[in-house]
Amino acid sequence: AQSVTQPDIHITVSEGASLELRCNYSYGATPYLFWYVQSPGQGLQLLLKYFSGDTLVQGIKGFEAEFKRSQSSFNLRKPSVHWSDAAEYFCALNNNDMRFGAGTRLTVKP
Amino acid sequence: DTAVSQTPKYLVTQMGNDKSIKCEQNLGHDTMYWYKQDSKKFLKIMFSYNNKELIINETVPNRFSPKSPDKAHLNLHINSLELGDSAVYFCASSQGVTINNEQFFGPGTRLTVL
Repeated sequence: AQSVTQPDIHITVSEGASLELRCNYSYGATPYLFWYVQSPGQGLQLLLKYFSGDTLVQGIKGFEAEFKRSQSSFNLRKPSVHWSDAAEYFCALNNNDMRFGAGTRLTVKP
Repeated sequence: DTAVSQTPKYLVTQMGNDKSIKCEQNLGHDTMYWYKQDSKKFLKIMFSYNNKELIINETVPNRFSPKSPDKAHLNLHINSLELGDSAVYFCASSQGVTINNEQFFGPGTRLTVL
């Protein structure tokens, strides 16, 4: 069965520090993976997606993610976090229906 | 222009009532979805409609009924509301149902059942 796991419920980083949010998936075939961000009181916005090809994908707002089949991971990264990045981040896998991870809440310290 | 809109944004009601949440998309998409996000932020798909046909119906109580008058609208009707229905409900849309299609989400409707 397909599933998505985000091991970290809550992460706090200082502004300007680098960020990595973890995502692991369970799926038998090539996964179609997404990262979404949800700002407080807002809907979900797509940051980036992976289908095939280059395993390092670039997204909006300076985010990138790397697909590693051997580790069943699709971690989200940003070199330097801004205060406005504070939000909830969801990893998702799509196989006829979108399965979301439980989310990681990012807090940014000044 | 708002791509996917939902009304109302907030809905507070008593147990046992019947309520509806409306969703409209102006993206020309042919597939629309309803998701429920619980208090722990867990997102779970409820329904999916493609060209006005139901194509996914997860284990959702039959008190919940989606209605799609046309491709641009997917409304969610909830009968006999229960405390456990309190959540944020998100509408989404995509072009087609293939698995690499991005879904665009509405802003959500926060439902509180007292």
